[in-house]
Amino acid sequence: NAGVMQNPRHLVRRRGQEARLRCSPMKGHSHVYWYRQLPEEGLKFMVYLQKENIIDESGMPKERFSAEFPKEGPSILRIQQVVRGDSAAYFCASSATGGHTEAFFGQGTRLTVV
Amino acid sequence: QKEVEQNSGPLSVPEGAIASLNCTYSDRVSQSFFWYRQYSGKSPELIMSIYSNGDKEDGRFTAQLNKASQYVSLLIRDSQPSDSATYLCAVNFNAGNNRKLIWGLGTSLAVNP
Repeated sequence: NAGVMQNPRHLVRRRGQEARLRCSPMKGHSHVYWYRQLPEEGLKFMVYLQKENIIDESGMPKERFSAEFPKEGPSILRIQQVVRGDSAAYFCASSATGGHTEAFFGQGTRLTVV
Repeated sequence: QKEVEQNSGPLSVPEGAIASLNCTYSDRVSQSFFWYRQYSGKSPELIMSIYSNGDKEDGRFTAQLNKASQYVSLLIRDSQPSDSATYLCAVNFNAGNNRKLIWGLGTSLAVNP
């Protein structure tokens, strides 16, 4: 009974490189949410996706960040040309139904930009 | 401005006591409310969801919802040191064609042995 799986757990990138974060939702869940959390700060919503569709990307920076959830495979959060300010924990959550109902979180990817 | 507010704490209670965590929200039409627990360095973990006015109990946890007063609370009975964590309140707002989950910043709870 696998939960939400995120990988990698830890990712180190140099400034200017690309970061790709992966999230496989719980079995039977087709709704995925990405959040960012800085140390000592709250969860910040980034994007909500359903299979092959972006439902709400209002929390995502307009530049350098993109997300997808293809028909097959995990959801991907991509950060291009990373900067030090991108260093954070990125959490993925999934739910069985839409509209941000009961959502279950993965363990997160901790991105460090050096 | 839709928002969810929590006292940041830290809330400190002795072991065995009742810990009371409160959350207020600004949108009267919110319908779904969630409490998550987050240990330091870990991901949020869903504890309770509540949708109707009144109390909902699950083990040592009780969620209380009062839509008229726009608050939701979480009571933890017989608090244990292992309950020491940050408790996040999340509220489902209607935002146009989408519903959006708005998060409080969390209340830090310390249960002292």
